[in-house]
Amino acid sequence: QSVLTQPPSASGTPGQRVTISCSGSSSNIGSNTVNWYQQLPGTAPKLLIYSNNQRPSGVPDRFSGSKSGTSASLAISGLQSEDEADYYCAAWDDSAWVFGGGTKLTVL
Amino acid sequence: QVQLQESGPGLVKPSQTLSLTCTVSGGSISSGSYYWSWIRQPAGKGLEWIGRIYTSGSTNYNPSLKSRVTISVDTSKNQFSLKLSSVTAADTAVYYCARAMITFGAPPGGNWFDPWGQGTLVTVSS
Repeated sequence: QSVLTQPPSASGTPGQRVTISCSGSSSNIGSNTVNWYQQLPGTAPKLLIYSNNQRPSGVPDRFSGSKSGTSASLAISGLQSEDEADYYCAAWDDSAWVFGGGTKLTVL
Repeated sequence: QVQLQESGPGLVKPSQTLSLTCTVSGGSISSGSYYWSWIRQPAGKGLEWIGRIYTSGSTNYNPSLKSRVTISVDTSKNQFSLKLSSVTAADTAVYYCARAMITFGAPPGGNWFDPWGQGTLVTVSS
């Protein structure tokens, strides 16, 4: 069982907006920033959002992140078929990095 | 552009030691302020951070694996390595190496992981 809690699945149709939640505690999200990673099928994870809401160069502005208290969210607007992937949140927790269990996003 | 590549045996027998190496290309492992980490992912499951090393040799390990993990660095070869002892089937996973930037106020594990290696599957089986 993962330290950070994510819904196992999410879905949407092309063009829609979807959000993925990540719930933690005071020792992780509550006191540290949150990062999000996108893992396309059969590939390594890729940094998607860092420091709660910052996008690395090359990541479309359709992707956005937010954090409030001990929870964080990833929002994807204008959903596209290539967004179908697994998404993981991560935060530092006292003495180790912890991850969410991952959310599989399906584009219907 | 920095790239990371994992290498090592794809099959390890139970109770033996898993050994992997991550080769860094496109930049020096000693340049800049970075931690170098190992992360694993069992098939169909989530990610687990194993630990990290700084080029000075200082390490930080996941408490859940600390008793079995050793991470080392060889700056002359631009590589860092992972050893995981007394492996069982539960250690079967894709193992990734990754770089984490260090900035002022960063936690002991760095800020975020970027880039990642492509990953290497290690199966523990007799």
